[in-house]
Amino acid sequence: QSALTQPRSVSGSPGQSVTISCTGTSSDVGGYNYVSWYQQYPGKAPKLMVYDVNKRPSGVPDRFSGSKSGNTASLTISGLQAEDEADYYCCSYAGTYTLFFGTGTEVTV
Amino acid sequence: QVQLQESGPGLVKPSQTLSLTCTVSGGSISSNNYYWSWIRQPAGKGLEWIGRIYASGSTNYNPSLKSRVTLSVHTSKNQFSLKLSSVTAADTAVYYCARGSLRSWYIFDCWGQGSLVTVSS
Repeated sequence: QSALTQPRSVSGSPGQSVTISCTGTSSDVGGYNYVSWYQQYPGKAPKLMVYDVNKRPSGVPDRFSGSKSGNTASLTISGLQAEDEADYYCCSYAGTYTLFFGTGTEVTV
Repeated sequence: QVQLQESGPGLVKPSQTLSLTCTVSGGSISSNNYYWSWIRQPAGKGLEWIGRIYASGSTNYNPSLKSRVTLSVHTSKNQFSLKLSSVTAADTAVYYCARGSLRSWYIFDCWGQGSLVTVSS
């Protein structure tokens, strides 16, 4: 097991909603409620957007929401804005000292 | 507000050791409330967790890199460091230092800006 699988890209118009999937296995995504999501602009460090599947850090707009079903986690961006155009990575705890990141998804607005 | 800043050589020769330091400002690395991690990202690719260290010096590593990685902490300087030995071109990446809480070390709420390290002769 290595990287979690994400779609290479998703796109939407301003105001629409987009959903990014993150597929793993029962040993990572499916086994723990410890999925987080990061937003990354080109040349910048990742920023935490969602943690523990569906919790948002303070300051993150409620347009960003997370969920999980079985071995697949999802990040939904509602009311899409131009500033949401970035790369998004999921991340799942997979046991002691084991952490897997997703392959990354480019969101185009 | 805590800030992290990576520093170190941007070019390393194959088979040599990559060394980076992360300086923590705006907070104490000895606060005992956090783990301090290194994460890397090859150009155009995804992220990979390298390892973590606690203020006491306790370390844990990604099993896939464990044989080549050494993390250390320098509390008097509010810094922690990464050493990666026997590097190859596959180790070329942007290296980030990041903070995770004691309860949830795998949630990184604060990141450095990243340091590009190229492995080339």
